[in-house]
Amino acid sequence: KQEVTQIPAALSVPEGENLVLNCSFTDSAIYNLQWFRQDPGKGLTSLLLIQSSQREQTSGRLNASLDKSSGRSTLYIAASQPGDSATYLCAVLNYGGSQGNLIFGKGTKLSVKP
Amino acid sequence: EAGVVQSPRYKIIEKKQPVAFWCNPISGHNTLYWYLQNLGQGPELLIRYENEEAVDDSQLPKDRFSAERLKGVDSTLKIQPAELGDSAVYLCASSLGLAVGDEQFFGPGTRLTVL
Repeated sequence: KQEVTQIPAALSVPEGENLVLNCSFTDSAIYNLQWFRQDPGKGLTSLLLIQSSQREQTSGRLNASLDKSSGRSTLYIAASQPGDSATYLCAVLNYGGSQGNLIFGKGTKLSVKP
Repeated sequence: EAGVVQSPRYKIIEKKQPVAFWCNPISGHNTLYWYLQNLGQGPELLIRYENEEAVDDSQLPKDRFSAERLKGVDSTLKIQPAELGDSAVYLCASSLGLAVGDEQFFGPGTRLTVL
């Protein structure tokens, strides 16, 4: 059974710092991996989607990497801003019996202080 | 382009009462998902529809939960009767459904409080 773990559970940084959020998964047979952002009381916003054949994806100040063989992904945020404060969720899409079903981690709650 | 629409946004009910949530997916999206998100947890899939067919409802507690997607567009998720432990956020998502791994787009969710 696929399990997704995100470390740390919470992170507080001063504005302007570069930071890394970590995601690990137990079963490397995945289609893709997605990073989402969730603001309090809101739904999920997709940030980056990495296909299993890709190593990384970039969007603006965000860069996500994927090492499928080791079951790890990182989300790098450059020059953090207070507006980046949110919970960041990692999710993987499996092959096999649960095709089409995202398996989520519990998220990392990020606070960027001015 | 409108995103995934859900209503109501918030619902407070007494235990043992019925409740229903509505979702309108992005136009043209064939696949629709209902997720349950407990406080401090990631979302967990309840049911997935391909057009009007429920292709994965293995995580749906069928004794009290039911769902339908008539005509393959809008969907309704119902709980009857609600229990205290059902308090959570219910998220709806949709995707094109052309291939496995299509990006999923989420609605704002319905926050349910059962008293």
